[in-house]
Amino acid sequence: RKEVEQDPGPFNVPEGATVAFNCTYSNSASQSFFWYRQDCRKEPKLLMSVYSSGNEDGRFTAQLNRASQYISLLIRDSKLSDSATYLCVVTLTTDSWGKFQFGAGTQVVVTP
Amino acid sequence: NAGVTQTPKFQVLKTGQSMTLQCAQDMNHEYMSWYRQDPGMGLRLIHYSVGAGITDQGEVPNGYNVSRSTTEDFPLRLLSAAPSQTSVYFCASSPTENSYNEQFFGPGTRLTVL
Repeated sequence: RKEVEQDPGPFNVPEGATVAFNCTYSNSASQSFFWYRQDCRKEPKLLMSVYSSGNEDGRFTAQLNRASQYISLLIRDSKLSDSATYLCVVTLTTDSWGKFQFGAGTQVVVTP
Repeated sequence: NAGVTQTPKFQVLKTGQSMTLQCAQDMNHEYMSWYRQDPGMGLRLIHYSVGAGITDQGEVPNGYNVSRSTTEDFPLRLLSAAPSQTSVYFCASSPTENSYNEQFFGPGTRLTVL
């Protein structure tokens, strides 16, 4: 079983609609959580960190559910420019650089 | 700042050849790492470094060597290329060892081994 699992999609979303997807992690000792965005054939870039209380950044909302061991990302009022692959990243400890775990990504395609 | 730079962007090798992928950062970050990205697999950590002179193995280190003689540079060496090493390679850096820090990625090197 993979440490971090994501639905690969694609999620086809009409422009202006809302899309949400989850990422599950297997290790209950996981400490920090992130969403990265990766455009086609480009490098990943940090979209947002995920805090225990949930957090919002503009049209993006991230949630953490420790009991069920998943994080979620919701995108409201989708734009064409939101088309990308969203990578879930989980770390096991707060001081171990070597323990970042990446999901394989969820592809989102926003259509006009 | 240029951020994290990688060279070359593309490379084709024959089985058994060796080469070095270059990575440099100008942000004075202590922590650097190499990942490979394969379809459906997510990024997998090859090697990482917590500072000049200190390196350690990640999840998939076999067939690769690294060194960190300066804070800025973190080259990845393929000792004897194999078709299984066909992948996209990303170098990343981060300011400190704290895993809450953002990772900054280079643009990647697309490697094909024939």
